[in-house]
Amino acid sequence: RKEVEQDPGPFNVPEGATVAFNCTYSNSASQSFFWYRQDCRKEPKLLMSVYSSGNEDGRFTAQLNRASQYISLLIRDSKLSDSATYLCVGTRGKLIFGQGTELSVKP
Amino acid sequence: DTGVSQNPRHKITKRGQNVTFRCDPISEHNRLYWYRQTLGQGPEFLTYFQNEAQLEKSRLLSDRFSAERPKGSFSTLEIQRTEQGDSAMYLCASSLDDTGAFFGQGTRLTVV
Repeated sequence: RKEVEQDPGPFNVPEGATVAFNCTYSNSASQSFFWYRQDCRKEPKLLMSVYSSGNEDGRFTAQLNRASQYISLLIRDSKLSDSATYLCVGTRGKLIFGQGTELSVKP
Repeated sequence: DTGVSQNPRHKITKRGQNVTFRCDPISEHNRLYWYRQTLGQGPEFLTYFQNEAQLEKSRLLSDRFSAERPKGSFSTLEIQRTEQGDSAMYLCASSLDDTGAFFGQGTRLTVV
């Protein structure tokens, strides 16, 4: 089993839709968690940290459930510019990446 | 610009040659990571440092690959006797302990 697993998608949604990404992790990737965004042929960019209490940044909400070993990212009112690959990341010293979920927001 | 800096941005080399890449992390960051990424795949872990100590190295990092961070600041990644399969984007990132890491723009290596 991979240490961090996520649905690769692609997710194709219309502008304005709400989209949710899910990610599961094993015990070996269980220190801190983050969501990254990666545009085609660019480096990953840190989107937000993920806490058990949940955290929100504008249209983005991230949640961590340690009991279920589950992480989520919710994007509300999606924009064309949200189209990218979203990477779920755990840590154990090093960064442990999921395979990424591709999002395509259409007009 | 105080972000992570990688040089060169692009490198084309002939099979069998040696190449070296440099990464300058964000100055107060104690951790430095190297990853490799090919198109359509997620970043693949190579190695990471805490200050000058190399704490973990992937089994994928064969004896042709070596990384150093001699003074706990910049790091170099060397690939000896390059092969076509080494063609990829090489990404460096840095962080302060276990906080979120920031990536450089990467070095794109093409082995011909």
